[in-house]
Amino acid sequence: GQNIDQPTEMTATEGAIVQINCTYQTSGFNGLFWYQQHAGEAPTFLSYNVLDGLEEKGRFSSFLSRSKGYSYLLLKELQMKDSASYLCAVMDSNYQLIWGAGTKLIIKP
Amino acid sequence: NAGVTQTPKFQVLKTGQSMTLQCAQDMNHEYMSWYRQDPGMGLRLIHYSVGAGITDQGEVPNGYNVSRSTTEDFPLRLLSAAPSQTSVYFCASTLAGGSGANVLTFGAGSRLTVL
Repeated sequence: GQNIDQPTEMTATEGAIVQINCTYQTSGFNGLFWYQQHAGEAPTFLSYNVLDGLEEKGRFSSFLSRSKGYSYLLLKELQMKDSASYLCAVMDSNYQLIWGAGTKLIIKP
Repeated sequence: NAGVTQTPKFQVLKTGQSMTLQCAQDMNHEYMSWYRQDPGMGLRLIHYSVGAGITDQGEVPNGYNVSRSTTEDFPLRLLSAAPSQTSVYFCASTLAGGSGANVLTFGAGSRLTVL
């Protein structure tokens, strides 16, 4: 079966760095997405990786290793507004998205 | 542009009632989809459409119907509501579904409770 694993919850301190991991087993691979979802709101797009390596976008970076079925989202200089759930999703060989359950990130002052 | 508009935001139904969740987008997106989000689970695809007049089932289609008569609108119908359909529903769209680079734009969500 297809599976996306990510930690249920993480806690970090304002100003620090946090890495949220995502491992996947899917039938085929057409890219990996990270979305941010604040409580009670819709998911919003953060990043897309289809080739191995690191993609940097401001305070957020996303890394992909296709051979290991692994990705991480790196958040630097954490701010209170970064408290949210972070959703990892993989597009399979049929171009369907398989979603992880999300990682709830709690930022403490 | 309004993006993806979903209505209603909240709804309470009794078991056996029917209702329609509305979804409209003004971005000329060909691909539209409906997801449900339940605690501790990833988003699950209910139905999707790759263009007007074309719909297909996702992972959890039972108990739901859709239609796509126009590019803009993609309503989701609950035929006979059951408590297991209590969830948060998201409509999402993108330019074309058959590409890994196409990012989904989500509506604000509809929280449905079935008693």
